[in-house]
Amino acid sequence: RKEVEQDPGPFNVPEGATVAFNCTYSNSASQSFFWYRQDCRKEPKLLMSVYSSGNEDGRFTAQLNRASQYISLLIRDSKLSDSATYLCVVTPQAGTALIFGKGTTLSVSS
Amino acid sequence: DTAVSQTPKYLVTQMGNDKSIKCEQNLGHDTMYWYKQDSKKFLKIMFSYNNKELIINETVPNRFSPKSPDKAHLNLHINSLELGDSAVYFCASSPQASYYEQYFGPGTRLTVT
Repeated sequence: RKEVEQDPGPFNVPEGATVAFNCTYSNSASQSFFWYRQDCRKEPKLLMSVYSSGNEDGRFTAQLNRASQYISLLIRDSKLSDSATYLCVVTPQAGTALIFGKGTTLSVSS
Repeated sequence: DTAVSQTPKYLVTQMGNDKSIKCEQNLGHDTMYWYKQDSKKFLKIMFSYNNKELIINETVPNRFSPKSPDKAHLNLHINSLELGDSAVYFCASSPQASYYEQYFGPGTRLTVT
């Protein structure tokens, strides 16, 4: 089993749609969780951290389910500018590197 | 102001050559990283330095040698370049190791012919 797995997509949705991405991780001792966004031919940028209680930032909601070892990202009212690849990121243990999933590609069309 | 900068942005070279990529961060972070993103877009850690000390050294050919002259700089030297080294190399930094969000540079697109 891969350390961090994501459905690569692509997810093709119209503007205004709600879309959800899931990510699973294999190491139950993982400590920190993030969603990063990467635009085509650009660097990854932090979208949001994921907290155990779940957290929201505008149209974006992230949730963590430690028992099932998955993380989700919900995007409401999709905009054209949301088109990008969304990377699920996990820190397995203290002192280790971030582990990136391969990403889920979202394409929002008008 | 650019937080994490890399030079060059593009690098085209022939097999067998030696090349270096430079990275600088002006965020005052303690930890810096090198990642490789291959043609399949998979982003994987190569090295990490914390206050100039190597703390992560993944399974990378020893043709790749990082150097950190100070905590604001992390360079990557590659000897005897091979076709399979073609990729985008990202530098990143974070306030401290592992738990904190990372800030990435714009990437260096290396093409080996």
